[in-house]
Amino acid sequence: KAGVTQTPRYLIKTRGQQVTLSCSPISGHRSVSWYQQTPGQGLQFLFEYFSETQRNKGNFPGRFSGRQFSNSRSEMNVSTLELGDSALYLCASALAGGPQVVNEQFFGPGTRLTVL
Amino acid sequence: GESVGLHLPTLSVQEGDNSIINCAYSNSASDYFIWYKQESGKGPQFIIDIRSNMDKRQGQRVTVLLNKTVKHLSLQIAATQPGDSAVYFCAENIGGTYKYIFGTGTRLKVLA
Repeated sequence: KAGVTQTPRYLIKTRGQQVTLSCSPISGHRSVSWYQQTPGQGLQFLFEYFSETQRNKGNFPGRFSGRQFSNSRSEMNVSTLELGDSALYLCASALAGGPQVVNEQFFGPGTRLTVL
Repeated sequence: GESVGLHLPTLSVQEGDNSIINCAYSNSASDYFIWYKQESGKGPQFIIDIRSNMDKRQGQRVTVLLNKTVKHLSLQIAATQPGDSAVYFCAENIGGTYKYIFGTGTRLKVLA
């Protein structure tokens, strides 16, 4: 079974631009989460989508947004990029069970975003 | 590959010895925990998980111990190998959501 895939793997943008990152979950997985990883802050939760709906959200500004499609693929968008948005953006998928049932979460390789 | 953390605590272990990596979690309501391994240039890799109704779980060469009284989690790696060199993170989950809180990570260095 193929793992979580993310595209692109590397991206360079300038301040003020916007960027869209893509994530394809493991086949059959309906939950997709996004994380930001930086040396200073570590791994921080951005948001989670399930059945095209945002179920959970972290403490990031509104410039960070996402969506999920009917095939469970997800995109994350960052508008008006700032230097501090330079990070590794990780996507994770899970075979979401019923309420209060949490299953293993598997990560993709990440997209390295550099903002100049 | 990039560094996942410039000032991570580091554990250096001789090849063949056992490793113990510790993690203090933050919320007494957390009920599901995962240990991840992250190698340079890669995303975190699932190692083992444990639910709060257990205090120990074993996998292949790995054991996770959970002490809810002191909110402490540990990962034991038996017969540590060079391929185990990586950064290890614990992640806690609260209340059945997919919102995880990650620890700062520990860098494991295996000495030949």
